[in-house]
Amino acid sequence: SQQGEEDPQALSIQEGENATMNCSYKTSINNLQWYRQNSGRGLVHLILIRSNEREKHSGRLRVTLDTSKKSSSLLITASRAADTASYFCATDLHNNNDMRFGAGTRLTVKP
Amino acid sequence: ETGVTQTPRHLVMGMTNKKSLKCEQHLGHNAMYWYKQSAKKPLELMFVYSLEERVENNSVPSRFSPECPNSSHLFLHLHTLQPEDSALYLCASSQDGVSNQPQHFGDGTRLSIL
Repeated sequence: SQQGEEDPQALSIQEGENATMNCSYKTSINNLQWYRQNSGRGLVHLILIRSNEREKHSGRLRVTLDTSKKSSSLLITASRAADTASYFCATDLHNNNDMRFGAGTRLTVKP
Repeated sequence: ETGVTQTPRHLVMGMTNKKSLKCEQHLGHNAMYWYKQSAKKPLELMFVYSLEERVENNSVPSRFSPECPNSSHLFLHLHTLQPEDSALYLCASSQDGVSNQPQHFGDGTRLSIL
């Protein structure tokens, strides 16, 4: 069953702009992960954030987690055309090691 | 190079055929996964293997039969599939099958059922 849901479903921006994608989930979690998928390829892990963390950075990526609102956001700063991809959040269930993925946000960055 | 290799990349088969998908990981991981990805639907976890033992079977129809002969190889045997089984099948691995570890994915097998 689906745990995380990304919002928006699709996002189109110009190169250089920032992109923000959101993920909401229903039950308490231990960890939340963000992945990226280029067309025709597998998913690539971006960032893992634990339930006791509020923010993590990796290069141009910034992830926040608000467990009180059961939501997370992924911010890509100074976007590039190469950032065009689908982005997925994945959450575990508090008492389960399985990861559940959302349907993803399709990001298009126009040059 | 992802460290997880899936073959074949594309497969077209009839509903009465038998075929197998193969996944190999070169990362020394102990857990391997099969996922199904259909258009505009969330990724569906099908099977999880940890140390070559199946630890999860998410109500997958018996026409899908997984096999994990060792920690580096995972197969998905297909038999008498239905048109709705057409999808991208992704294999992944992680160090120990716990949720605080990233999963490493292959590029998938695009399966089309005629």
